[in-house]
Amino acid sequence: NAGVTQTPKFRVLKTGQSMTLLCAQDMNHEYMYWYRQDPGMGLRLIHYSVGEGTTAKGEVPDGYNVSRLKKQNFLLGLESAAPSQTSVYFCASSPRGGDTEAFFGQGTRLTVV
Amino acid sequence: EDQVTQSPEALRLQEGESSSLNCSYTVSGLRGLFWYRQDPGKGPEFLFTLYSAGEEKEKERLKATLTKKESFLHITAPKPEDSATYLCAAHGSSNTGKLIFGQGTTLQVKP
Repeated sequence: NAGVTQTPKFRVLKTGQSMTLLCAQDMNHEYMYWYRQDPGMGLRLIHYSVGEGTTAKGEVPDGYNVSRLKKQNFLLGLESAAPSQTSVYFCASSPRGGDTEAFFGQGTRLTVV
Repeated sequence: EDQVTQSPEALRLQEGESSSLNCSYTVSGLRGLFWYRQDPGKGPEFLFTLYSAGEEKEKERLKATLTKKESFLHITAPKPEDSATYLCAAHGSSNTGKLIFGQGTTLQVKP
């Protein structure tokens, strides 16, 4: 029972490089989320999706893009990485949205130099 | 603006010393108040959901309670393995699908 799986777990990027973070869930959940976690800032929502083919902006969407082409996958893209995007990124999924518990992946630690 | 604030930021307890963590929330039309546990290098792990004032839930040494403005996570006779960061999050009617997280309380329990 894998739950929510994030790939990769660690990555170092140079400023200006691009990359895609992959999130996969095997629980048939409708809702999926991307958060970033920074010291003293808590978890902040970047983008989310309420179903296959849908995406919406969260609290801190600038510099990121997302896609949900398949129900089980939610991709987070950084087109031109900046040092301010150094963070730990968490993907989560939930069955019906904010009034049901979310299940989180193990996180991706991204460093932009 | 919806907001969730946790206190204290850090808490050190001796094994067996009971205490409480606080989560204050300002959310329009609360639809759920969540508690998560996060261990270093791991993702948050779900503990409890509370939906209405007066509701209480328990799991081993943890008990979560909810009022109209606050939630408390009571830890009774903690053990070193309870050491972790505890996160509170709220979902309001104006933020469908989105959880607002507090900054967390880092608990250290010494043997």
